[in-house]
Amino acid sequence: GDSVTQMEGPVTLSEEAFLTINCTYTATGYPSLFWYVQYPGEGLQLLLKATKADDKGSNKGFEATYRKETTSFHLEKGSVQVSDSAVYFCALSDQKETSGSRLTFGEGTQLTVNP
Amino acid sequence: NAGVTQTPKFRILKIGQSMTLQCTQDMNHNYMYWYRQDPGMGLKLIYYSVGAGITDKGEVPNGYNVSRSTTEDFPLRLELAAPSQTSVYFCASSYLGRDGQPQHFGDGTRLSIL
Repeated sequence: GDSVTQMEGPVTLSEEAFLTINCTYTATGYPSLFWYVQYPGEGLQLLLKATKADDKGSNKGFEATYRKETTSFHLEKGSVQVSDSAVYFCALSDQKETSGSRLTFGEGTQLTVNP
Repeated sequence: NAGVTQTPKFRILKIGQSMTLQCTQDMNHNYMYWYRQDPGMGLKLIYYSVGAGITDKGEVPNGYNVSRSTTEDFPLRLELAAPSQTSVYFCASSYLGRDGQPQHFGDGTRLSIL
């Protein structure tokens, strides 16, 4: 079945540091890939997405590129802020009419950014 | 825009009690989902629905039931609460389109079984 593997956390960085959170996936079809962010006490929010190979999703300074050859979708940001502290989830969706956009999630990576 | 609304936000149950977690969405999405999130873990799919009157099991359906009588509502029922069901529950909805359609999440219900 489909699966998503994220780098082990937690990750602690200083403000303005470069961020990379690794994500690799296993899927039988051609899934769409997502990064969701969860702030303390809140639900998940879509951060960015990519729907086909070589697509780059971007939002709020975060970027991730859909790499079919390495089955990866690593999240990057050039300069993190304290407000970026949250849990980040990588997910894939193999959209079908019979099941909608069922998501398979990675385990999440806790990011803490210190001033 | 309300989006996906879950009630209650917090609840404490005794073992063996039953309760219903409510979820409603105002985006006219045809697909709805229930997940549970255990500490330090990703989300696990409990049940999902592709439209009114149609539901199906996800990864971890045991101990839960759902119904979908309207497009807007997708309640999750716990019949005999057990400590293993202590978790944070998230409801989500989505629309199936040509491109990857993201799911929209509610803020969650934090449930403790004591």
